Amino acid sequence: AQSVTQLDSQVPVFEEAPVELRCNYSSSVSVYLFWYVQYPNQGLQLLLKYLSGSTLVKGINGFEAEFNKSQTSFHLRKPSVHISDTAEYFCAVSEQDDKIIFGKGTRLHILP
Amino acid sequence: DSGVTQTPKHLITATGQRVTLRCSPRSGDLSVYWYQQSLDQGLQFLIQYYNGEERAKGNILERFSAQQFPDLHSELNLSSLELGDSALYFCASSDGLAMNTGELFFGEGSRLTVL
Repeated sequence: AQSVTQLDSQVPVFEEAPVELRCNYSSSVSVYLFWYVQYPNQGLQLLLKYLSGSTLVKGINGFEAEFNKSQTSFHLRKPSVHISDTAEYFCAVSEQDDKIIFGKGTRLHILP
Repeated sequence: DSGVTQTPKHLITATGQRVTLRCSPRSGDLSVYWYQQSLDQGLQFLIQYYNGEERAKGNILERFSAQQFPDLHSELNLSSLELGDSALYFCASSDGLAMNTGELFFGEGSRLTVL
């Protein structure tokens, strides 16, 4: 069965600095990978997804992620963060079936 | 606004009681997913329905059950409630099987507090 590990539960970063949120997955078959964002008091919304093709995926709000099959990773990056990026970020994996499994989330704290 | 509606938004009840959480998916979406979010367990997949039929099951307790009705709304029933069932319960929907679209649309959640 698939699983997702988000290595950092919290990441503090200064405003306008770059950030990387790490995600590793475990699966014995081909997977689809996702990053979702949860703003305070809201549900989750999709940031970006990898289904196939180019391993560098661009999403909304300037975020991008790179699929690395050999390292089973799907790290999320943004070159310059803003206060509005304060949220919890979830990595998720699907073994191309109906289940999407989420990691435990990483809280991004933007420092002024 | 994702288009997914969950009621109630907040619910406080006592141990041993039973509650029903309701979800209306986005117009046209056939799939409904239920997730439980707690501080220690993160976001746990419970169950998924597609056009009225159960399609996938996750870590759903036997005390919990769900169904999807002909009008595609879904209900999650939680019985014999325990303190540990206190959590935020999310419903999500998609327009087909998630493996084809890759995107789930989440409601704002139902916060259950068991005292």
